[in-house]
Amino acid sequence: AQSVTQLGSHVSVSEGALVLLRCNYSSSVPPYLFWYVQYPNQGLQLLLKYTTGATLVKGINGFEAEFKKSETSFHLTKPSAHMSDAAEYFCAVSNAGGTSYGKLTFGQGTILTVHP
Amino acid sequence: EAGVTQFPSHSVIEKGQTVTLRCDPISGHDNLYWYRRVMGKEIKFLLHFVKESKQDESGMPNNRFLAERTGGTYSTLKVQPAELEDSGVYFCASSQPGQGAKGPANYGYTFGSGTRLTVV
Repeated sequence: AQSVTQLGSHVSVSEGALVLLRCNYSSSVPPYLFWYVQYPNQGLQLLLKYTTGATLVKGINGFEAEFKKSETSFHLTKPSAHMSDAAEYFCAVSNAGGTSYGKLTFGQGTILTVHP
Repeated sequence: EAGVTQFPSHSVIEKGQTVTLRCDPISGHDNLYWYRRVMGKEIKFLLHFVKESKQDESGMPNNRFLAERTGGTYSTLKVQPAELEDSGVYFCASSQPGQGAKGPANYGYTFGSGTRLTVV
């Protein structure tokens, strides 16, 4: 079984400050990890994903995440927050082993607020 | 290419009524998934189609929910009769064919905008 824990249901930062959204996962098989963002009244948009290879993954809009197997973490960061980053962010894990079709298991979501 | 389309975007129905949600995946995406987010909770898997076949329906809450994917194209999710606890946002996602490391988890998933269902 897989699970995802996002630490902090709400994160508030000032414009220009570092954004750090935390995600820890549990998986019995090598995980494929995802970050999605949902802007108000919109669907889920893929920010970035880790499958194999380089553990530092760069995504859209200046976001990146680092897969740390020893810490079972996949934290999302952005050096400088912008007002347009205000949204809800979801971390998710999928199983890509064997014949799996890889359904996603999501964390609870983190609402990011950016203050001027 | 066109994205994943869901209809309707919002639906308000009374308890005991029937509602049908529709999802049109990206053309050529054999894999189609339904998820649901109840207010205050995480997004949870409902079921997965490979073409027209139900591959995994382990997340379906109960037999009031019926999903179909006739012809392997669009999918419908019917709730009959609806209960108050069915309220939430229903998401559909699709992905390219394949399994394991050469499957959806590798390609990624494209989500629709969701259907917000309110049962009153």
